[in-house]
Amino acid sequence: EPEVTQTPSHQVTQMGQEVILRCVPISNHLYFYWYRQILGQKVEFLVSFYNNEISEKSEIFDDQFSVERPDGSNFTLKIRSTKLEDSAMYFCASSGVLAGGLSSYNEQFFGPGTRLTVL
Amino acid sequence: LAKTTQPISMDSYEGQEVNITCSHNNIATNDYITWYQQFPSQGPRFIIQGYKTKVTNEVASLFIPADRKSSTLSLPRVSLSDTAVYYCLVGYNYGQNFVFGPGTRLSVLP
Repeated sequence: EPEVTQTPSHQVTQMGQEVILRCVPISNHLYFYWYRQILGQKVEFLVSFYNNEISEKSEIFDDQFSVERPDGSNFTLKIRSTKLEDSAMYFCASSGVLAGGLSSYNEQFFGPGTRLTVL
Repeated sequence: LAKTTQPISMDSYEGQEVNITCSHNNIATNDYITWYQQFPSQGPRFIIQGYKTKVTNEVASLFIPADRKSSTLSLPRVSLSDTAVYYCLVGYNYGQNFVFGPGTRLSVLP
């Protein structure tokens, strides 16, 4: 069964450093997303990406964040200058084209996450 | 985006049927109702989706009344491994940016 993969599984960085979180979405999907989840809190939407551009972003996704799909398979989230409050689990997700029937609507496939720790 | 309300937590025992109800009073005509499951330190996982009446798959059933202002996820004969957080979401297209609420933390006890 196809799955979304993310690397690294855990990233530790110093405050102010840049980090890039990587994701490989499911190959025939068209929509890509980043979410984050601070420990013990709810999953929060960051950004969605379609047709090589951002389609929506939340207020969390400020100028410190950027996304890119550099080569048609990877989907990356960059945080330019990390803050302590960026420490969280970051999930990538992808979703695809309706394959006939209701089952494909709203079905986003989430990766295992990258735990980012900012010291 | 329609807001959803669900119980914060529920306890159950192994072998019991668990029903988790979600309110979505502002659901739009085009919205589908979707439930996700999340285990600790893992990404959410799609369980089931429906538009109206009843939907059943190999893991759960989803009951939606005619007015669609609520829905009930039913898990038959839960086991310890069903201990997780369950999220109710509404939306209508592939680009849907989900607004996750706190979900319902289900604890299955032996």
